[in-house]
Amino acid sequence: DAGITQSPRHKVTETGTPVTLRCHQTENHRYMYWYRQDPGHGLRLIHYSYGVKDTDKGEVSDGYSVSRSKTEDFLLTLESATSSQTSVYFCAISQGATNEKLFFGSGTQLSVL
Amino acid sequence: SQQGEEDPQALSIQEGENATMNCSYKTSINNLQWYRQNSGRGLVHLILIRSNEREKHSGRLRVTLDTSKKSSSLLITASRAADTASYFCATDTGGGADGLTFGKGTHLIIQP
Repeated sequence: DAGITQSPRHKVTETGTPVTLRCHQTENHRYMYWYRQDPGHGLRLIHYSYGVKDTDKGEVSDGYSVSRSKTEDFLLTLESATSSQTSVYFCAISQGATNEKLFFGSGTQLSVL
Repeated sequence: SQQGEEDPQALSIQEGENATMNCSYKTSINNLQWYRQNSGRGLVHLILIRSNEREKHSGRLRVTLDTSKKSSSLLITASRAADTASYFCATDTGGGADGLTFGKGTHLIIQP
């Protein structure tokens, strides 16, 4: 099984502050994803990556940026956090082709006050 | 936009009974996947069925796909207390940047 570590697991921050969430994988999978999960919306794709320095926007990318300087690390940054970004954030990798058999991390609970 | 919609939203059954959940979607797909999420945890991939397949089995799981009706069902046989979780269907339309489109899930409770 793929190993994914998300950090931090929980974070409380104030509106207007920048926040970076980290996703670290141990098995050199090519495709990595950031999703957010909100009640009533299910999971929605924020950004994804198909290799080092190769990223693309998902359905709800406004207010977020990502970076992937190494295969194993995929960072999600909220440039200026807003209360609407309070959510649970999940990182995932594809164990097959793109968008197939995603393996998810344990999530980061982010609260923006 | 919501592609997959699970039905029912919640389901409570006795241990040992079978549980059936349904998923409907709107546009053509490459594949449909089912995931399980235990409370406070990440999602776990259960099974993937491709658009040219009609049925797949994995242990106590049976998934069907009817592309003409744009629907899928997940059957869990001989349910156990450990099956208590939320179950999500996710559709892949083949566009990488679209990602998987998840439904809102069915919350399954297995009564001991």
